[in-house]
Amino acid sequence: SAVISQKPSRDICQRGTSLTIQCQVDSQVTMMFWYRQQPGQSLTLIATANQGSEATYESGFVIDKFPISRPNLTFSTLTVSNMSPEDSSIYLCSVGLSDRPTEAFFGQGTRLTVV
Amino acid sequence: KNEVEQSPQNLTAQEGEFITINCSYSVGISALHWLQQHPGGGIVSLFMLSSGKKKHGRLIATINIQEKHSSLHITASHPRDSAVYICAVEGRTGGYNKLIFGAGTRLAVHP
Repeated sequence: SAVISQKPSRDICQRGTSLTIQCQVDSQVTMMFWYRQQPGQSLTLIATANQGSEATYESGFVIDKFPISRPNLTFSTLTVSNMSPEDSSIYLCSVGLSDRPTEAFFGQGTRLTVV
Repeated sequence: KNEVEQSPQNLTAQEGEFITINCSYSVGISALHWLQQHPGGGIVSLFMLSSGKKKHGRLIATINIQEKHSSLHITASHPRDSAVYICAVEGRTGGYNKLIFGAGTRLAVHP
């Protein structure tokens, strides 16, 4: 199994600023993902965080807006840049223990409100 | 049409009732996940299925690959079961662990 610590759990930010969300796993994991859940919507994959290389972004998400780092197999950050009220969402980190179908583990989420 | 459809969207039950939540999907999958999301936003994995049936405590999950359908059952429901239940599928293409989520079923169990 994997225990994920995601920080911060919530934040209220001014528009135009940036927020960095951290995801720390208690063991080395192969796959790390960042998801967004807008109010009343289902979760949507933002990107796959790749260790030692640039993240792989899904359609509709770009690196300039959501820069991601993954310096090692246990840690990743997601930055929400130049925020607007439309970025108000829950952001979730998720990991998979291998590159085959496996139980998905999630962080507790970061509830972001942009004012 | 969404690739993962859940029903019902909202469900209210009295404590002790048997509950069923349904999930249908339209893509080829390698696995299907049932997840539970609490009001704070955190998500807990309940089951991962690729065939058949799994049981954990009062929770039972089944999947019919041919019909592309899965159900989550809760027996003897309790107010602490109140949460959003999310079905997610792991596609056969595009990489494992990349999940496609249903919209969720919001369950409220009253004493």
